Amino acid sequence: ETGVTQSPTHLIKTRGQQVTLRCSSQSGHNTVSWYQQALGQGPQFIFQYYREEENGRGNFPPRFSGLQFPNYSSELNVNALELDDSALYLCASRAGGVNTEAFFGQGTRLTVV
Amino acid sequence: AQSVTQLGSHVSVSEGALVLLRCNYSSSVPPYLFWYVQYPNQGLQLLLKYTSAATLVKGINGFEAEFKKSETSFHLTKPSAHMSDAAEYFCAVSDRTSYDKVIFGPGTSLSVIP
Repeated sequence: ETGVTQSPTHLIKTRGQQVTLRCSSQSGHNTVSWYQQALGQGPQFIFQYYREEENGRGNFPPRFSGLQFPNYSSELNVNALELDDSALYLCASRAGGVNTEAFFGQGTRLTVV
Repeated sequence: AQSVTQLGSHVSVSEGALVLLRCNYSSSVPPYLFWYVQYPNQGLQLLLKYTSAATLVKGINGFEAEFKKSETSFHLTKPSAHMSDAAEYFCAVSDRTSYDKVIFGPGTSLSVIP
């Protein structure tokens, strides 16, 4: 148990729809990062939030967006879903400061049909 | 741009044998380096990380890794494999200007044969 919880655990959506994935950070963690892990591949960095502001972004289009709330929980929103968006979506939270460890949730498995 | 390569997408070892998982990185600035383990249907767990202190880094579950700047390598080892070590292992890198933008390698699946 890492203290990072993600919901839902599994989700099936139709191409063109929109989806919202949620992440509850470990207590005291003000930094959250989101990753996309396609089947058989390593995770790819989507973006990071620090104190409710986006603070870094990977090579993902604008239809991938996020929010971080005052309690540091977070959402990942994906618009206009494509078949290639099918993946395991992971969030990781960590406390502020240098070199603190990031703790990962178990992920949300998104299938786009 | 940073990148990570892991030699061998699948590695099989006998129980009790040495585990060696290879990782090479490219980075234009001194990196942070990580090894993560992922069990089926679970998230990632940090095994160990290098942050410019000792070049030999000890982690959890008996794993260790050595940072070799001249070889741009960060190979993961464990003297004696256990059945419970069977999992997917990811090497990863980030830099000091963007600690959270972690770039992962493609992963190595470790099988342990009884």
